[in-house]
Amino acid sequence: DIVMTQSPDSLAVSLGERATINCKSSQSVLYNSNNKNYLAWFQQKPGQPPKLLIYLTSNRESGVPDRFSGSGSGTDFTLTISSLQAEDVAVYYCQQYLGTPGYTFGPGTKVDIK
Amino acid sequence: EVQLVESGGGLVQPGGSLRLSCAASGFTFSSHWIHWVRQVPGKGLVWVSQISSDGSTTTYADSVKGRFTISRDNAKNTLYLQMSSLRAEDTAVYYCARDRSDGTGAFDIWGQGTMVTVSS
Repeated sequence: DIVMTQSPDSLAVSLGERATINCKSSQSVLYNSNNKNYLAWFQQKPGQPPKLLIYLTSNRESGVPDRFSGSGSGTDFTLTISSLQAEDVAVYYCQQYLGTPGYTFGPGTKVDIK
Repeated sequence: EVQLVESGGGLVQPGGSLRLSCAASGFTFSSHWIHWVRQVPGKGLVWVSQISSDGSTTTYADSVKGRFTISRDNAKNTLYLQMSSLRAEDTAVYYCARDRSDGTGAFDIWGQGTMVTVSS
């Protein structure tokens, strides 16, 4: 199975500052048939289900603020929050959904306000 | 409103069985693959199983293979997870999640989850 790792485990950022979360997969999540990387990012707040933020590496889900962006390819990916807001305090997970088999999540990165 | 609502969780003894349900509304249920994902409180997300839109294809994580069965009733807009030979390590919140099934593969809609506790 593809193993996902994230760094850092947690970070504290001042309001209005940039937060960057890294995600690495043990093998490429590139689907050769369409040249797309099957990597998603989710936000989870306490007591709530995960919320899809980004899919196919860099596509922002409808309704997600544009301060959230995703980038990367192959095995290395990044979620950036360009200007951290109080409501962004949460745990963020990356997920590979190339499958073959399974759809594995990273261990999560907790984002707090400094 | 597009939503998924899980039910059926509860306390069960080790070795016991439980059936979870996930009721869908607000979208064409029969057009979407659906997944089960679980989460031990305070821990990370773990994919459990998936089922194709017509129910003909199912896949399981190794940790539940042979013990869990995913199924669906498209006439009732409902997904199921039959869990048997339950172990303490199956204790978790179980979420159903919709696969957008448009080629993007995104898990775009999640239910609120149902808690399963396996304990004597």
